This record gives sequence, structure tokens and C-alpha cells, in this order.
Amino acid sequence: DQQVKQNSPSLSVQEGRISILNCDYTNSMFDYFLWYKKYPAEGPTFLISISSIKDKNEDGRFTVFLNKSAKHLSLHIVPSQPGDSAVYFCAASSKGGTSYGKLTFGQGTILTVHP
Amino acid sequence: NAGVTQTPKFRILKIGQSMTLQCTQDMNHNYMYWYRQDPGMGLKLIYYSVGAGITDKGEVPNGYNVSRSTTEDFPLRLELAAPSQTSVYFCASSLPGVDTEAFFGQGTRLTVV
Repeated sequence: DQQVKQNSPSLSVQEGRISILNCDYTNSMFDYFLWYKKYPAEGPTFLISISSIKDKNEDGRFTVFLNKSAKHLSLHIVPSQPGDSAVYFCAASSKGGTSYGKLTFGQGTILTVHP
Repeated sequence: NAGVTQTPKFRILKIGQSMTLQCTQDMNHNYMYWYRQDPGMGLKLIYYSVGAGITDKGEVPNGYNVSRSTTEDFPLRLELAAPSQTSVYFCASSLPGVDTEAFFGQGTRLTVV
């Protein structure tokens, strides 16, 4: 039962263009969403997050959008740079009860930005 | 600050052998986690801890054990290695509270042959 899904295994874009990575979730209890970036042979590093009380969060070139009714979030990278080439993981957690910050991850999307 | 440090980075085990994956963090985080990542898959939670002396199972705990005697250290023990445990293992830590992110170590690539 995959509660967080990233249906695109890979995405290829040109430098300078927009990259859009998508993520869907099924568990209505999730109310905090994160994107992590992972380079080969390294651990995931936090990129950006969004709480369910918001529908958008920006940090420089990175923007995350949340559509709660559709249970869908997306990460926009504008403009894309070759150094953005990595695996991007969507993750979700719930704040309350005994969640204790446990994360449920999607399968990841490999982003390749061509010069 | 070193953040989250995992050792070893790579290990090859024979079926039935045992080993301990070490994890230490210097950020004074209460929460610590062990995840595994199989090829083409997302990370899955093995065990987690909310403080020294307190541990609990995650999604895929079978074949593993943990302990948390100090805030800094959270070792993961494999008692009888099986090929299904071939994976990349990540340790992470975070602060308690809402809207906080987890910090990950660089991972341990384990192969069981």
C-alpha cells in the first residue's frame, strides 16, 4: 500500500527551463509534506516543506504547491540548473498523536538537467 | 558540526552473519530513525526512537534490532543476515515538534551474499 506516490520515475529538462515534479498521497492524516534531494552515494538533504494550512511555499528557485482536495503536491524549480540533477523524494508525515516525525516516502524521481 | 554520522559506509556480509550499523548525531536531537532504501524504491522506516531508552518499530522491523542508551547514538543490529537485507541504510535525526525536518547520514551500503 503505497501511501505516497511519485508516478514519474524520471524527468529530463533543459537548463533554464522549469522542472515540475509531482507527488500524490492517499492518507488524509498527512499534514506536513517535504521534498528531499539526493545525490549518488549521499544521504537525502532537506529541500523545502509545506504545512497543510498553506497551499504554496517558496524558497528561492524552489516552490512547492499543495492541493489538499486532490491530495497532490508539486515541486517547481525555476530556472533549472545542471547542479539540480539528482533524485527528488517527496515525503509526508502527520503532526499529531504518535507520529514522532516519522516520514513516509515516495519512490523518487530522477531529475536530469541538460546544459 | 558533523551532523549525522554513519559507519561503515560499505559492508559485505555472508548469509547468517551479524553486524551493527553505527549512527551518531551531534545536534542533540531527541528523535532518531533508521530507514532502508531498496533500488527504485523510496525509503522505508525500520525503527525509530523518541529519546534515550525508548524505541519502537517502524514499517519493516523484521530481522533488525535497535537500542538507544544515549541521546547521540542509535545503532542498528542485524542478527542473522539474509539476502533480503541487501540495501542502503540511512540513519536520521530530528527535533521534536511540528514542522521540523529530518537530517540524514550518508548511508551504509550493505550487501548480503
